[in-house]
Amino acid sequence: EPEVTQTPSHQVTQMGQEVILRCVPISNHLYFYWYRQILGQKVEFLVSFYNNEISEKSEIFDDQFSVERPDGSNFTLKIRSTKLEDSAMYFCASKEHPYGYTFGSGTRLTVV
Amino acid sequence: LAKTTQPISMDSYEGQEVNITCSHNNIATNDYITWYQQFPSQGPRFIIQGYKTKVTNEVASLFIPADRKSSTLSLPRVSLSDTAVYYCLVGDLGNAGNMLTFGGGTRLMVKP
Repeated sequence: EPEVTQTPSHQVTQMGQEVILRCVPISNHLYFYWYRQILGQKVEFLVSFYNNEISEKSEIFDDQFSVERPDGSNFTLKIRSTKLEDSAMYFCASKEHPYGYTFGSGTRLTVV
Repeated sequence: LAKTTQPISMDSYEGQEVNITCSHNNIATNDYITWYQQFPSQGPRFIIQGYKTKVTNEVASLFIPADRKSSTLSLPRVSLSDTAVYYCLVGDLGNAGNMLTFGGGTRLMVKP
């Protein structure tokens, strides 16, 4: 079964540092997403991406966040200057319209 | 986006059938109903999706009455490994950029 792959599985960073979370979506999917889940809380939408541009973004996705598809396979989420409250599980997902999403296993980001 | 309401938690025993009901009174004509399963520290996993009546796959059944204001996820003969959080989501699959809005889900505990 095709999978969405995320790396690293766990990242620890100091407050103020930049982090890049990486995802390899399923190869024939065209729609890509980032979600996050703070420990014990709901899964929250961050951003959707299609045709090399952002389709929608939430209020969480402020100027500190950016996404990129640098090549034909990777999809990245960058946080420019991490804050303590950015600590969360970050999930990448991809979708073959009009079917359901496939989520990756997530990256646990810990900001210290 | 149609809001969903589902029980916060449910308990069951191994081998029993579990039915989790979700209310979505404001569901729109183009909306589909999708259920996801999430284990701790993992990404949500697609279980089943439907529009009306009954849908069955190898892991679950989804029952949707004619008015579509609710739906019931049925898990036959649960095992300990079915202990997870189950999310009911409603959305327009025709809008591929449309994000998923997760509620709190139903925390299912399967006991031996």
